[in-house]
Amino acid sequence: GAVVSQHPSRVICKSGTSVKIECRSLDFQATTMFWYRQFPKKSLMLMATSNEGSKATYEQGVEKDKFLINHASLTLSTLTVTSAHPEDSSFYICSAMEPGQETQYFGPGTRLLVL
Amino acid sequence: AQSVTQPDIHITVSEGASLELRCNYSYGATPYLFWYVQSPGQGLQLLLKYFSGDTLVQGIKGFEAEFKRSQSSFNLRKPSVHWSDAAEYFCAVVGPGGSEKLVFGKGTKLTVNP
Repeated sequence: GAVVSQHPSRVICKSGTSVKIECRSLDFQATTMFWYRQFPKKSLMLMATSNEGSKATYEQGVEKDKFLINHASLTLSTLTVTSAHPEDSSFYICSAMEPGQETQYFGPGTRLLVL
Repeated sequence: AQSVTQPDIHITVSEGASLELRCNYSYGATPYLFWYVQSPGQGLQLLLKYFSGDTLVQGIKGFEAEFKRSQSSFNLRKPSVHWSDAAEYFCAVVGPGGSEKLVFGKGTKLTVNP
């Protein structure tokens, strides 16, 4: 149980385009999902917390207009990187938490490369 | 503010040897504690967690961890390491109740020699 998927697993795009990454909880309902960014050989940096049906809460320094998060259902959250630039290239990982379980289960990550 | 320290950036062990990865935390109360493992290019997999009760917790893949309140530690152990255990290991904490954000250590990279 507690499986989280992400799609796509890797994406290459041109500078200036937008990219959408999906995060799905496959076998449980997740009222809360989280989006992280991981730089090479670094730990995870929380970008935002997403609650189903409400606006995401962004961490300090994360541009909410650039990283659009939508949590439209109890099993799906999306992260859209708008007007992507090479510095947005990174490994993006989502996690999902089942109500009352207080444990985050992570997706396999999405490697974004912006040319 | 809460913090997590993993003192060892990189550990190398031989296959079949025992393993201990250290984790110390700083938090006002006893937090919820987690160990995750990340293989290259992959997401994080939960190995085990401690919320309360028995201070020795068993996880998947033969791992265990012991919570020591007096030392603010939550060290991860495995009696016999397999080559497939080579990965990055992250200790993480969250406040009791899980309502705050997860705070990660910087990770320990494990290399396993044949």
